[in-house]
Amino acid sequence: KQEVTQIPAALSVPEGENLVLNCSFTDSAIYNLQWFRQDPGKGLTSLLLIQSSQREQTSGRLNASLDKSSGRSTLYIAASQPGDSATYLCAVRGDKIIFGKGTRLHILP
Amino acid sequence: GAGVSQSPRYKVAKRGQDVALRCDPISGHVSLFWYQQALGQGPEFLTYFQNEAQLDKSGLPSDRFFAERPEGSVSTLKIQRTQQEDSAVYLCASSPPYPLQETQYFGPGTRLLVL
Repeated sequence: KQEVTQIPAALSVPEGENLVLNCSFTDSAIYNLQWFRQDPGKGLTSLLLIQSSQREQTSGRLNASLDKSSGRSTLYIAASQPGDSATYLCAVRGDKIIFGKGTRLHILP
Repeated sequence: GAGVSQSPRYKVAKRGQDVALRCDPISGHVSLFWYQQALGQGPEFLTYFQNEAQLDKSGLPSDRFFAERPEGSVSTLKIQRTQQEDSAVYLCASSPPYPLQETQYFGPGTRLLVL
């Protein structure tokens, strides 16, 4: 059974710093991995989707990598801003879509 | 354009009451998903529709949960005889047709509190 783990559960960093969020999964038989952000009281917004054949995807200050063989993905956020404060979730898609519990990120002004 | 909408946004129910949660997907989106998100947890898959066909309902936690999408557009998630453990945010997502079918667009969710 696929399990998705996100570390750390919460993170506070000063504005301007670069940071890395981690996602690991136990079953490498996946079609894709997706990173979402969730703001309080709102739904999820897709940030980046990486196909199983890809190694990374970039969008603006965000870069997501995927190492399927080791069951790991990272989300790199460059030059963090207070508006980046949110919960970041990763989801792997195999037979099912399985989400991690998320990392609550707080950027300190 | 309009995104995925859900109603009601908040619902308080007494234990044993039946509730119905509505999802209006983005127009033209073929796939529709329902998720349950407990406090402090990630969303958990409940069920999936492609047009009006319910292709996967393996995530529904009990036979008290029922979902339908009769015309391949609006979907309703019904919970009968609600229990306190049903308290959660219920998220709906829809996906466009191929080749963008892997991107899900989420609604704001319905927060259900069962007393």
